[in-house]
Amino acid sequence: IAGITQAPTSQILAAGRRMTLRCTQDMRHNAMYWYRQDLGLGLRLIHYSNTAGTTGKGEVPDGYSVSRANTDDFPLTLASAVPSQTSVYFCASSARAGAANIQYFGAGTRLSVL
Amino acid sequence: GQNIDQPTEMTATEGAIVQINCTYQTSGFNGLFWYQQHAGEAPTFLSYNVLDGLEEKGRFSSFLSRSKGYSYLLLKELQMKDSASYLCAVRDRDYKLSFGAGTTVTVRA
Repeated sequence: IAGITQAPTSQILAAGRRMTLRCTQDMRHNAMYWYRQDLGLGLRLIHYSNTAGTTGKGEVPDGYSVSRANTDDFPLTLASAVPSQTSVYFCASSARAGAANIQYFGAGTRLSVL
Repeated sequence: GQNIDQPTEMTATEGAIVQINCTYQTSGFNGLFWYQQHAGEAPTFLSYNVLDGLEEKGRFSSFLSRSKGYSYLLLKELQMKDSASYLCAVRDRDYKLSFGAGTTVTVRA
């Protein structure tokens, strides 16, 4: 079944460790996004990519980096995790950045930083 | 930037109608989306409005008034499976989405 795959499903991480959250889509969508979801705050955009080879900063980019080497993959890296990065992380994709493009979401990664 | 407000919680009875309001302030409006999110799951797309008026999709309808910065999602003939969070999201001119905190709807028998 086509869609977005995120890995891992959940992770407990010691503060200061490096962590990469993986996201792969097989819909040949041009645009991809990373969000974090925290109770009472809703989904907040971390980074995005409108097409392979380009990335941009969202609302809360500090402490995170992304790369988009190809169309399918959009990994999110925490270089040195801190407890405030405990959250649920969702990857999403859309066919392209413009028009009525619907964003489709992966199942999420639940990350706890201790 | 975007400022999006929606109620935190709503409760309704099975078979009833519920209306979830969303107000927004934006520096550049380029469409409004509603998503449904069941607990522990991913958000899934429900509806999209870019012009004023009502969009109907089966039991769900969404309304937009751009001049008032206002939208609502109407859920008719409520079913137990409609218990979920409903997220209002506004797209800006750079095609990025900003989400409200979500409205948790509880459907009671």
